[in-house]
Amino acid sequence: QVQLVQSGAEVKKPGASVKVSCKASGYIFSNYGISWVRQAPGQGLEWLGWISGYNDNTYYSQKFPGRVTMTTDTSTTTVYMELGSLTSDDTAMYYCARGLNSVYTDSSGFYSPFDFWGQGTLVTVSS
Amino acid sequence: DIVLSQSPDSLSVSLGERATINCKSSQSLFYRSNNKNYLAWYQQKPGQPPRLLIYWASTRESGVPDRFSGSESGTDFTLTISSLQAEDVAVYYCQQYFSTPWTFGQGTKVEIK
Repeated sequence: QVQLVQSGAEVKKPGASVKVSCKASGYIFSNYGISWVRQAPGQGLEWLGWISGYNDNTYYSQKFPGRVTMTTDTSTTTVYMELGSLTSDDTAMYYCARGLNSVYTDSSGFYSPFDFWGQGTLVTVSS
Repeated sequence: DIVLSQSPDSLSVSLGERATINCKSSQSLFYRSNNKNYLAWYQQKPGQPPRLLIYWASTRESGVPDRFSGSESGTDFTLTISSLQAEDVAVYYCQQYFSTPWTFGQGTKVEIK
């Protein structure tokens, strides 16, 4: 069965960076892309960006200019999301989520809703 | 950015009754080349990640009970729960994947009356 297992909670100081991992299993890693979505406490959902499991192509939301980086390690089928220059506004639960459409669709799987989600990683930014 | 406005913000419905959630998009989510609306619905229960219910505005995800259905009329989208069950208490979100950045509605909280 498809599983996305994320790394544990993090506490960071303002100005620092955080790197969250998402280990995928139960499917062919290179056939799908992964997005990252965050949710501030008691708030709604916000998309950060997407990375292809096939060729590492990325697309980042322009709301995070130069602050977010997504990478993959195909040998361990793990996706990483690093967010830098943290402020208290970045305190949130961060989720990885698999795109429903495979990379072999017309849009290389980018234009997809999210069918499987990780359990979430709480990132707290506090001085 | 595309803005999705959900209504109502919260909804209280008796068990077995119908629940209807609306999502209005600030622009069309329809792609003529494939005749699809790029709109999804999710259910989120406390302490859990969201769960995909509906995609392409009206296609039910595998394993989702058939009491959940989606429909569209232009830029207005609707999620209907035909007969509310206790396990349907949750927050529901719509999401567009037509134009980046992907965006979500603000959520609708569904409770039992």
